[in-house]
Amino acid sequence: EAEVAQSPRYKITEKSQAVAFWCDPISGHATLYWYRQILGQGPELLVQFQDESVVDDSQLPKDRFSAERLKGVDSTLKIQPAELGDSAMYLCASSGTDSNTGELFFGEGSRLTVL
Amino acid sequence: GNSVTQMEGPVTLSEEAFLTINCTYTATGYPSLFWYVQYPGEGLQLLLKATKADDKGSNKGFEATYRKETTSFHLEKGSVQVSDSAVYFCALSSASKIIFGSGTRLSIRP
Repeated sequence: EAEVAQSPRYKITEKSQAVAFWCDPISGHATLYWYRQILGQGPELLVQFQDESVVDDSQLPKDRFSAERLKGVDSTLKIQPAELGDSAMYLCASSGTDSNTGELFFGEGSRLTVL
Repeated sequence: GNSVTQMEGPVTLSEEAFLTINCTYTATGYPSLFWYVQYPGEGLQLLLKATKADDKGSNKGFEATYRKETTSFHLEKGSVQVSDSAVYFCALSSASKIIFGSGTRLSIRP
């Protein structure tokens, strides 16, 4: 069964360091999402790609976060420098259809702890 | 703006009990509505969905009806099992953007 792959599953870093997360969506899925999930809260959208183009990054803290999907397939989310408040689960999801009626497929997430 | 409000947890029930998890939404236009479930150690997965008013989504014994008049999409199951223990998220989709509620943790006692 096709899955969304994410790595690393766990990352512990010190504040001010750089971290990066990788996501490989389900093959053929044009839309890719990065969400942040703080413990006890629902996922919040950070950035949404349609193929290699960003269609929504309004909630991405652009002073420290960046995301790219250069060839419209896999994607990288970077944080530099990391802050204590960035500790969260970072979720990647993909969709092959219009998200209004389609289904998002999530990876298992990357849990970040900033010390 | 669009938002989703769902019942705070945790919710603890005995096996075979009736379950309701409340969800209400605020949205412009006509959103699609979803319930996602996150089992321990796994990613979120779609449980059920409804794309227009009065639609009923159903899966694995769970049901939810899209009520436009009350802007609600409550999740129900007639007889829960231990294996239903998970975190449940209500979500809406509008203008290709999906917004999630804060989640409700459900624990089922044998």
